[in-house]
Amino acid sequence: NAGVTQTPKFQVLKTGQSMTLQCAQDMNHEYMSWYRQDPGMGLRLIHYSVGAGITDQGEVPNGYNVSRSTTEDFPLRLLSAAPSQTSVYFCASSYSLHQGHEQYFGPGTRLTVT
Amino acid sequence: KNEVEQSPQNLTAQEGEFITINCSYSVGISALHWLQQHPGGGIVSLFMLSSGKKKHGRLIATINIQEKHSSLHITASHPRDSAVYICAVKSYGGATNKLIFGTGTLLAVQP
Repeated sequence: NAGVTQTPKFQVLKTGQSMTLQCAQDMNHEYMSWYRQDPGMGLRLIHYSVGAGITDQGEVPNGYNVSRSTTEDFPLRLLSAAPSQTSVYFCASSYSLHQGHEQYFGPGTRLTVT
Repeated sequence: KNEVEQSPQNLTAQEGEFITINCSYSVGISALHWLQQHPGGGIVSLFMLSSGKKKHGRLIATINIQEKHSSLHITASHPRDSAVYICAVKSYGGATNKLIFGTGTLLAVQP
């Protein structure tokens, strides 16, 4: 199994540009989520999904969109990049969150918005 | 005040020392996770606990539900243990399916 994969690893955007961060998992996990990690702060949940066709907002959803058309893929779209979105982004998956199943994280995408 | 607090924020140890990292939380939980993140690297799950104690190699994690406290111990520490250790809790109830993360403990083990 490849686990959780993310692309790209690094990205530089100009303010106002849009892009999609890709995330895929091959473990047939129902629960997938996107986090951002900023210095001095814990990981913060952007959006999550409990299954194909179902998504919901986390604590910092503004400026981001997600979709879940398949169990495997959970892309994160930045609609109009802003410098405040400079961060490291992690995608994660687990069988479910209800009983606190183990979380599997992707390698991260380091995004800089100038 | 954060719902998940870790201490210390930074820790420097000599190789071979016994290390303890603490996590306190203020919400009711169904599970607690300990995660490891190497510099510039991804995040790896070390333990998931809902009660008692778990051991994996030189790592031991304990949780006291009544006191809302967990500890991660590293025995015979090694420079390769240098990383950020993150505590995260799954709160029970509530409308949001999410983990609540601590800000992490940066551990440096010197040879």
